[in-house]
Amino acid sequence: GEDVEQSLFLSVREGDSSVINCTYTDSSSTYLYWYKQEPGAGLQLLTYIFSNMDMKQDQRLTVLLNKKDKHLSLRIADTQTGDSAIYFCAETPTASKLTFGTGTRLQVTL
Amino acid sequence: EAQVTQNPRYLITVTGKKLTVTCSQNMNHEYMSWYRQDPGLGLRQIYYSMNVEVTDKGDVPEGYKVSRKEKRNFPLILESPSPNQTSLYFCASSAGTGQPQHFGDGTRLSIL
Repeated sequence: GEDVEQSLFLSVREGDSSVINCTYTDSSSTYLYWYKQEPGAGLQLLTYIFSNMDMKQDQRLTVLLNKKDKHLSLRIADTQTGDSAIYFCAETPTASKLTFGTGTRLQVTL
Repeated sequence: EAQVTQNPRYLITVTGKKLTVTCSQNMNHEYMSWYRQDPGLGLRQIYYSMNVEVTDKGDVPEGYKVSRKEKRNFPLILESPSPNQTSLYFCASSAGTGQPQHFGDGTRLSIL
């Protein structure tokens, strides 16, 4: 199947790190993506990782990829209230297709 | 500014009344796609297009049509909308297949 699974909800305190996890099914995915969706808005591409990489860091964002376990994670350092949103991971089982997880709602509390 | 533009942003209509949601991108992207987003289901692909005059079905194409007569436009057509097509729709484009996709702001459709 092509299920991409994420937990539904994560709550963190401002200033702490957030880790959002995702498991995917298709080992042939070339790219794996993280998108952010704020209320009433479209999906914003946050970052992506090529399948031959283990880690990618981009400012406060760190993506870790474990291909053996088909596990992808997004770590947000020093989480801010502006990071509150829904985060989607997505895999590319074919070049023409993007399969999304159901999304993780991140709530940042003061 | 590079963007994907959808219109309308919101529409309430009735069963059976044909409607079209337009999508336009200004990045000269070859690949375009339509998704619908429903609670608990994430985003599911409806149709995609790899280039002008080339379109293919995604996971949930039933009840929808698309066309790609020009590179920049990829309209989504609901010939006879039904209530189960009430959803939030997103258009996306990318430079090519497998490349990162850029999304529009979404169109919320309500079919009564």
